[in-house]
Parts: sequence; C-alpha cells; structure tokens
Amino acid sequence: QVQLLQSGAEVKEPGASVKVSCKASGHSLTSFTLHWVRRAPGQSLEWMGWIIAGNDNTRYSQKFQDRVTITRDTSAKIVYMELSSLRPEDTGVYYCAKSDSGHYFDYWGQGTPVTVSS
Amino acid sequence: DIVMTQSPDSLAVSLGERATIYCKSNQSLLYSSNNKNHLAWYQQKPGQPPKLLIYWASTRQSGVPDRFSGSGSETDFTLTISGLQAEDVAVYYCQQYYKTSYTFGQGTKLEIK
Repeated sequence: QVQLLQSGAEVKEPGASVKVSCKASGHSLTSFTLHWVRRAPGQSLEWMGWIIAGNDNTRYSQKFQDRVTITRDTSAKIVYMELSSLRPEDTGVYYCAKSDSGHYFDYWGQGTPVTVSS
Repeated sequence: DIVMTQSPDSLAVSLGERATIYCKSNQSLLYSSNNKNHLAWYQQKPGQPPKLLIYWASTRQSGVPDRFSGSGSETDFTLTISGLQAEDVAVYYCQQYYKTSYTFGQGTKLEIK
C-alpha cells in the first residue's frame, strides 16, 4: 500500500520561497511519476508539474514553469516541490500525487497548507 | 491547455436517488494509439485530499463502490452515482490526462436534498 506523507504547514512572506516535501512508503520511488497539484481557496485543482522518479525527468505547467522546481532524493524516497517568488494568490493547499503509466492520480498525500501573507 | 467544463456547479439529490454530473472537454480525449479516453473522476471531501473514483472514463478504481459509474467518450463524459448515500456528499472533479498541462473541471458540489 503506497503512502505519501507531506511536510507541515508553511507561512511565508511575499517574495519568499517555499519547499514542500513528499515522502513515499510502500513503493519504490523509482517506479512511478510524482505530481504536484494545488488547490487555492475557492478554486479548482491545478496541476503544477511532475517528476518521473526513475530518471529525474521533469515537466512543468506553463503557468508555474518559471517559479517551480521539482526534485527527488531517491535514497530517502522524498520528492520536493519548491515554489519561488511567492504571491498572496499562491496561498492554498499543495498535494503530491502518484501516477503510473496513465497519468491519473491514484494516491495522494494529505496536503500541505501554504499561506502567503505579509 | 484543454478546458474542462463541468455541469452543474452544484446539485442536490435525495438519498437513494441518482446523481448525474457532466464533464465536457474542448477537444477529444480519445487517444488513438490505445483507444482509451484519458479522463478521470475524483471525489473530495472537506479536509481530505481528492480520491480517485474512475479512470479511463469508465474503469472503477479498486475499492470504490459500484454505485459510482463513468461513461462517455471523446469530449462528453458523465459520472453517475446510483442510490445516493449520505457519505457521497462531496465535491466531484473530472480531470483530463490526455496531454500536459493536465487540467481539471471547476468541480461540482453534491449535497443531500
């Protein structure tokens, strides 16, 4: 049974960066794709990007590609999402989610609330 | 990006009745190489992450009750909940994974009448 455990809530000032982690258990980190999805208050879900854990390939949404970086630490089974130049509208809950060959998300982390406020 | 539009935005259905949610994409999600529709449905309850219900438009995820079913092809899709239960109150999202950036519908809030 795959479990994805995310780091805790963050509060940041505008212009800062935030780095959220997602630790996988119950599955090899090298055998699936790990995505990041955001839900801002009153908004729908937004896909931010992925990392193919087996080869470090990444792909980002055009909306976030200038500000987001997704990396992995295979030995620790952790994937990181860093979002820079934070704005108040980046406030929301950030989720990691796993997919296999078809990119539907079958397992999700519990979510990490990020608040951007001065 | 592919635009996903759900209808209605909210829905109130009596216990035991059928709930139907629609999802429309602005381009076909039927991939010719595998003849599959790249469309998934999720359920999200307050304070919880989304839960996968349906993938490939009509394949039920393991452990999902069989009162949940998906249908449709190309640009028009439907999620049906037959025999609504109190625990089905949630927001439901469709998602296309035909191509990046993967996109979601705006969500449909399902309540009990």
